[in-house]
Amino acid sequence: DAGVIQSPRHEVTEMGQEVTLRCKPISGHNSLFWYRQTMMRGLELLIYFNNNVPIDDSGMPEDRFSAKMPNASFSTLKIQPSEPRDSAVYFCASSWGLASYEQYFGPGTRLTVT
Amino acid sequence: QKEVEQNSGPLSVPEGAIASLNCTYSDRGSQSFFWYRQYSGKSPELIMSIYSNGDKEDGRFTAQLNKASQYVSLLIRDSQPSDSATYLCAVNMGGGSYIPTFGRGTSLIVHP
Repeated sequence: DAGVIQSPRHEVTEMGQEVTLRCKPISGHNSLFWYRQTMMRGLELLIYFNNNVPIDDSGMPEDRFSAKMPNASFSTLKIQPSEPRDSAVYFCASSWGLASYEQYFGPGTRLTVT
Repeated sequence: QKEVEQNSGPLSVPEGAIASLNCTYSDRGSQSFFWYRQYSGKSPELIMSIYSNGDKEDGRFTAQLNKASQYVSLLIRDSQPSDSATYLCAVNMGGGSYIPTFGRGTSLIVHP
């Protein structure tokens, strides 16, 4: 079975532009997590979904960030407008169950905002 | 604030030695504990999970959990250069939280 799939793998954009990151979780997993990783702050949870419903978005840094999960096999994280401080690696992870047993991470999207 | 603490390292060990990685957590109600390995430029990869006090062994890896002292450790026996990576400790805190809190990770270097 394929693992978590993320696209694009790399994104370079200019400040002010809209950025959309995409994630396909492992088939059968019903929880999906979006993380951001930087050297300064480590791995931070942004938002997570269970059965396509957002459960906790308290980690979303500000209103410029939004996430959706229209169905069990697809999620997006959007940043509009983007800023240089958003530069980071964004990971999507999925797991079976709300209790986040054993998360499986995608390869990540390296975002650079100039 | 619920926290997971790890020494950032780097921890440097010779090939063939035992590497010992430690993690402490603040919430006594924590139930689930995980170790992830992250190679440079790659995503975290789950290598061990432990849910009850004591030791859990999987190949060269042993996870140790002591809830009374609020620490979890990872031992890597017969360390190999390919074990060189950052090891992240993740703890599923209690109190109704369903999400893991990650430590900042410990960098391990295994030198030949």
